[in-house]
Amino acid sequence: AQTVTQSQPEMSVQEAETVTLSCTYDTSESDYYLFWYKQPPSRQMILVIRQEAYKQQNATENRFSVNFQKAAKSFSLKISDSQLGDAAMYFCAYKGETSGSRLTFGEGTQLTVNP
Amino acid sequence: KAGVTQTPRYLIKTRGQQVTLSCSPISGHRSVSWYQQTPGQGLQFLFEYFSETQRNKGNFPGRFSGRQFSNSRSEMNVSTLELGDSALYLCASSLKEGGPRNEQFFGPGTRLTVL
Repeated sequence: AQTVTQSQPEMSVQEAETVTLSCTYDTSESDYYLFWYKQPPSRQMILVIRQEAYKQQNATENRFSVNFQKAAKSFSLKISDSQLGDAAMYFCAYKGETSGSRLTFGEGTQLTVNP
Repeated sequence: KAGVTQTPRYLIKTRGQQVTLSCSPISGHRSVSWYQQTPGQGLQFLFEYFSETQRNKGNFPGRFSGRQFSNSRSEMNVSTLELGDSALYLCASSLKEGGPRNEQFFGPGTRLTVL
């Protein structure tokens, strides 16, 4: 079974600074996607960024980028120039070739952005 | 294009009752998945429906059931409610069935409180 682990329950960052959220996963599948979702206080789950396992290039979406280390099964999220609106719970998630639409989520990291 | 809608947004029930939650996917989307989110267990996959058929099921007791209609709208039902069923129930839709490449879009959730 696939597992996703986020070892940082809470993180904080100063506005305009950079923060990195960690995620590790375990799988024996070769075809899979990894995701970072943001869940603000409204509870609406918002996709931040995704990475296909076959792509060596790390995904980037504006201020958000990932460091995908396939051999180490590591998938961290870097947020640059942090903004107050980035404050939220962040979930790392996995979806594999045998998962159907099932997403396997990590425990989440609560990010606080200090002004 | 309207997003995923879930009704009701908030619900209070008592132990032993049953409840039905509704999810309307994005227009054109045919796959609907349900997740339960609790502080203790995190985000857990309940089931996935595609073309009115359950395609995938998580590890939940038989009290949790669902269905999908011909217009892709989905309902989930929980019978004989227990205190531990108090949770945020999230619905997600995607264009096609399963597969790691199908992006899922989440609704705002239904907050169920069991007293």
